[in-house]
Amino acid sequence: EAQVTQNPRYLITVTGKKLTVTCSQNMNHEYMSWYRQDPGLGLRQIYYSMNVEVTDKGDVPEGYKVSRKEKRNFPLILESPSPNQTSLYFCASSNSGSKLFGPGTRLTVL
Amino acid sequence: RKEVEQDPGPFNVPEGATVAFNCTYSNSASQSFFWYRQDCRKEPKLLMSVYSSGNEDGRFTAQLNRASQYISLLIRDSKLSDSATYLCAVNHPESNYQLIWGAGTKLIIKP
Repeated sequence: EAQVTQNPRYLITVTGKKLTVTCSQNMNHEYMSWYRQDPGLGLRQIYYSMNVEVTDKGDVPEGYKVSRKEKRNFPLILESPSPNQTSLYFCASSNSGSKLFGPGTRLTVL
Repeated sequence: RKEVEQDPGPFNVPEGATVAFNCTYSNSASQSFFWYRQDCRKEPKLLMSVYSSGNEDGRFTAQLNRASQYISLLIRDSKLSDSATYLCAVNHPESNYQLIWGAGTKLIIKP
């Protein structure tokens, strides 16, 4: 079954404690991206990757890092999380315009 | 002006009714258009791609109006299970991979 998986699904952490949210896809897609979604603001892109070792900033990259060492994985790293990064995060992948999304990670930073 | 705009709603509609909502986009060079459905706190799921000639999938019809730069979604014979937020997405003119998202229209179907 074609899918995008994310872990963890829920995370409560404290300010400054580094964390990584993993994203993996099994469709051999070249394109992967990370979004955050906040009430009233819709989906905002954080980073995207067109292929292995190729990453670019989206609309809201500050405070986030990504890496793309393998085609299937695209982890999102928060080196020093802050409360304004409390949000719902989605990973997505595609080989064309339409996107397949992961189930989401709900992050709370206290 | 936002690049992709949607009426946030909510649209409160009785079961069985027909409902339609639009999504306007600002860049005339965009070529790919999509409607996604998002249930509360779940991931967006592709509902339909929108083609120049329009397309229909069961009770759902999507249309593109290039002259006025909007896409529309029509839902006929609405069901309680159609209650969701509907997101439109338009490709960035410089990349077929990059999408610009509307903030979504919330639809509530009432019995």
